[in-house]
Amino acid sequence: RKEVEQDPGPFNVPEGATVAFNCTYSNSASQSFFWYRQDCRKEPKLLMSVYSSGNEDGRFTAQLNRASQYISLLIRDSKLSDSATYLCVVMPLSGGYNKLIFGAGTRLAVHP
Amino acid sequence: GAVVSQHPSRVICKSGTSVKIECRSLDFQATTMFWYRQFPKQSLMLMATSNEGSKATYEQGVEKDKFLINHASLTLSTLTVTSAHPEDSSFYICSASGVDTQYFGPGTRLTVL
Repeated sequence: RKEVEQDPGPFNVPEGATVAFNCTYSNSASQSFFWYRQDCRKEPKLLMSVYSSGNEDGRFTAQLNRASQYISLLIRDSKLSDSATYLCVVMPLSGGYNKLIFGAGTRLAVHP
Repeated sequence: GAVVSQHPSRVICKSGTSVKIECRSLDFQATTMFWYRQFPKQSLMLMATSNEGSKATYEQGVEKDKFLINHASLTLSTLTVTSAHPEDSSFYICSASGVDTQYFGPGTRLTVL
């Protein structure tokens, strides 16, 4: 079983749609969680951290359910520029090196 | 956010040659840097953790004699792919460890002919 699992998609949605991505992780001792965005042939860029209480950043809302080991990302009012691959990322307890474990990513394509 | 650079951004080489990739943290000191590899349509896979002034820690299945890592200063780590073969063709990305997360370089696309 992969440490971080995501639905690969692609999700094809029209502009203005609301789309949700899910992610599960296997290591219950994981301590930090993130969503990264990766554009084609580029490096990943941090989109947002995910907190237990849930957090929002503009059109983006992230949720964490530690009991179910489940993370979600909700994008409202999708823009064409949101088209990218969204990576669910987990930082396990690892003795101080901030090691990150990446999911394979979920592709989003927003069309006019 | 912090800035991390990589050089070169793209390299094409013949099978059997060695390729060195540099990763620099431009505006902060990074005692720990990470090297990842990403094949098409796959996730980033951690290859090794590079620690300034000490030996790198390699992930299971990564050959340390093939992927040489040197972290000689707090702002520079290098990855050398020795005797590269076509199956080593991939996107290599470094990152520098910050307080709460990692800052990624722009990546190096290696093509081995």
